[in-house]
Amino acid sequence: GEDVEQSLFLSVREGDSSVINCTYTDSSSTYLYWYKQEPGAGLQLLTYIFSNMDMKQDQRLTVLLNKKDKHLSLRIADTQTGDSAIYFCAKWAHSGGSNYKLTFGKGTLLTVNP
Amino acid sequence: NAGVTQTPKFRILKIGQSMTLQCTQDMNHNYMYWYRQDPGMGLKLIYYSVGAGITDKGEVPNGYNVSRSTTEDFPLRLELAAPSQTSVYFCASRDPGPGETQYFGPGTRLLVL
Repeated sequence: GEDVEQSLFLSVREGDSSVINCTYTDSSSTYLYWYKQEPGAGLQLLTYIFSNMDMKQDQRLTVLLNKKDKHLSLRIADTQTGDSAIYFCAKWAHSGGSNYKLTFGKGTLLTVNP
Repeated sequence: NAGVTQTPKFRILKIGQSMTLQCTQDMNHNYMYWYRQDPGMGLKLIYYSVGAGITDKGEVPNGYNVSRSTTEDFPLRLELAAPSQTSVYFCASRDPGPGETQYFGPGTRLLVL
């Protein structure tokens, strides 16, 4: 079955870059996602990338995908205290040839120190 | 539009009680999902639906039931609440367009004592 792994904690100083990493096992072509969850809130989609891409940039966010190593990363430039949250990596799992559920990592708690 | 809405926001149940968690979306999405989130464990899929009248089990369906009589609504039923069902429950719907993005509701926090 699909497995998505993330490191659990990351602490950075305000203004530095943050890099959150994710690895997965299933190499099927699909979308991969980064979600952000602030305390007491639901999951907010940050960005996504299709598995035939290497990189996607969206303002302060850069997603890198290494298909060979099955490694996905999210870089946040100029990290702010408002970026403190849990970040989830997610990928579709397939059944019967179609996407049927998102498999989530356990989440990375990003702490931004002033 | 409101997106995905869930009620209630928070509920305390006694063991053995039952309740229904409500979920509604106004985006006309066919696919809808129920997840539970336990601390440090990510999200686990409970049930999902590919359209009105069609539901299927996810990874952790035991102790739950769902129905999908309309495109908009996807309620989750707990028949005999157990402490192991203490969790945060998220409903989501899926946009079939580019990205196939799932949109999440704000969650329902459930405490079973």
